[in-house]
Amino acid sequence: QVQLVQSGAEVKKPGASVKVSCKASGYTFTSYGISWVRQAPGQGLEWMGWISAYNGNTNYAQKLQGRVTMTTDTSTSTAYMELRSLRSDDTAVYYCASTPGYCSGGSCYFDAFDIWGQGTMVTVSS
Amino acid sequence: EIVLTQSPGTLSLSPGERATLSCRASQSVSSSYLAWYQQKPGQAPRLLIYGASSRATGIPDRFSGSGSGTDFTLTISRLEPEDFAVYYCQQYGSSPAFGQGTKVEIK
Repeated sequence: QVQLVQSGAEVKKPGASVKVSCKASGYTFTSYGISWVRQAPGQGLEWMGWISAYNGNTNYAQKLQGRVTMTTDTSTSTAYMELRSLRSDDTAVYYCASTPGYCSGGSCYFDAFDIWGQGTMVTVSS
Repeated sequence: EIVLTQSPGTLSLSPGERATLSCRASQSVSSSYLAWYQQKPGQAPRLLIYGASSRATGIPDRFSGSGSGTDFTLTISRLEPEDFAVYYCQQYGSSPAFGQGTKVEIK
């Protein structure tokens, strides 16, 4: 059974960092990339970026450049998303999703987001 | 950056009725790169349609997608009770982006 299982809820203070994990099972981890998507309370979906589990190539949303880092650990089939300098408007549910894709010539191209994790609530509050 | 605008914001219908949801892009989207997702409260989104018109694995055939260029449509032929949810369109070729969503609610 293909699934992505994410780490548990986090509460952080403004200015802190958070690192969310996403463990894959049921498929060959390095065959696909992982996208991260967040959803603020009562709001829509926002794509944060993507990482290739094959070679570590990344593509981040311009809005989050410099604050977000995505990594993978192929030995444990786990992807990570770290967000730094947290603000109150980073409060959201964070999702990972398996995403086929590749990068070439400085651009990256993706397929639809097939399997999603269950989501991780991150609350930023003083 | 492509901006997707969905309409209507909310659709109030009864079970058994037909639902037609619209997604309009600010510039042309290759139809290979347009998807639709369903999200129920407290759940992650679920892929319904990719490539504008291909159903994802396990998706019932009452869901269909159509369109090209800047105008795309998701149609639910006969609403089942479990279909009441929020639906998002997405372009995913590069710099993926989502529409703001259409809520399909019970009338």
